[in-house]
Amino acid sequence: DGGITQSPKYLFRKEGQNVTLSCEQNLNHDAMYWYRQDPGQGLRLIYYSQIVNDFQKGDIAEGYSVSREKKESFPLTVTSAQKNPTAFYLCASSMMGNYGYTFGSGTRLTVV
Amino acid sequence: ILNVEQSPQSLHVQEGDSTNFTCSFPSSNFYALHWYRWETAKSPEALFVMTLNGDEKKKGRISATLNTKEGYSYLYIKGSQPEDSATYLCAFINWGQLTFGSGTQLTVLP
Repeated sequence: DGGITQSPKYLFRKEGQNVTLSCEQNLNHDAMYWYRQDPGQGLRLIYYSQIVNDFQKGDIAEGYSVSREKKESFPLTVTSAQKNPTAFYLCASSMMGNYGYTFGSGTRLTVV
Repeated sequence: ILNVEQSPQSLHVQEGDSTNFTCSFPSSNFYALHWYRWETAKSPEALFVMTLNGDEKKKGRISATLNTKEGYSYLYIKGSQPEDSATYLCAFINWGQLTFGSGTQLTVLP
């Protein structure tokens, strides 16, 4: 079955550590996205990529980094520079053009 | 940062009631509007992608309309069922980026 896989589902990080969230899709979608959700707020765009080896900052990119070395994979690193990393992170992908997004099941990151 | 607003924030209805919610978005530089349903413990699921002023789309008991000139879209659910309970998100696409509203949380009481 085609879809997006995010791992892990839950992640605990100590303050000062970098941590990487995985996102893999087998839908052959060109574009991939990372969103963050905080309680009571909508999804906010962190980074997106429309093609391999290229990505763009979203509205809240500070303290995050990404790579897109393969079409299928778009990992997100939450660095120690991110002041409030505790949140729910969603990865999505889409075909280029006007199509709905397909979402993963999310990773809940907690800083302890 | 674009402003996409949804109302109401939450809604409780009885099974069998019909209901509707609103999504407001910038009317300039419109490209497309998406609606998603997000059930608890699941991934958001695309309902509609709307592109043309006056668009009306329907999926079962759920339908949506679009007014790009005044910058709003309505989502309607006819004869709500408990399985319709979810958060409904709208999202405005502009320059390749999808900006989401904060959602309307619908609870359908049996």
